[in-house]
Amino acid sequence: DSGVTQTPKHLITATGQRVTLRCSPRSGDLSVYWYQQSLDQGLQFLIQYYNGEERAKGNILERFSAQQFPDLHSELNLSSLELGDSALYFCASSPIGLGAEAFFGQGTRLTVV
Amino acid sequence: AQSVTQLDSQVPVFEEAPVELRCNYSSSVSVYLFWYVQYPNQGLQLLLKYLSGSTLVKGINGFEAEFNKSQTSFHLRKPSVHISDTAEYFCAVGLSGYSTLTFGKGTMLLVSP
Repeated sequence: DSGVTQTPKHLITATGQRVTLRCSPRSGDLSVYWYQQSLDQGLQFLIQYYNGEERAKGNILERFSAQQFPDLHSELNLSSLELGDSALYFCASSPIGLGAEAFFGQGTRLTVV
Repeated sequence: AQSVTQLDSQVPVFEEAPVELRCNYSSSVSVYLFWYVQYPNQGLQLLLKYLSGSTLVKGINGFEAEFNKSQTSFHLRKPSVHISDTAEYFCAVGLSGYSTLTFGKGTMLLVSP
């Protein structure tokens, strides 16, 4: 158990809909990252938050957004969903420090039908 | 920007044989290097990491990796694999504790009896 909790584990929704994925980081970790894993694209970095502020942005679509709340949990919002958004979405957290590793949650499997 | 190349998408090997999974990176600055493992339907778990010091790094489950700065490589090795090592392995590079990790596309290790 990495200490990172993601909910829900599975999500099935229709095209055009909006969903919210939730992540609770490890106790004390200030950084939260979101990754998308799909068969064709591999593991793609979406966005990073550090102590409530956006720190880095990767290949995140404009239809997607995220935020980190004062209690450090984070939410990833996906809207106007398309079939191609079907993927495994991972949240990871890390402490401060040089070379700090990222601890991954179990992921949310999103299926858009 | 940094990048990671995992040269093999799949590596089939027999049980008790040695294995090497290759990883090359590119970066204009010093990096930290990681290997993660992903078992089916699970999140990523850290195997080992290189921050500084000895270029030979030992990790969990009998894996080790060697950092070679001149060849910009960080290959993962195990002298004798088990069926339970069947999983996907990801090499990743990071710049600091605040930076995101950039992952390779992964190598599927398939161990057969």
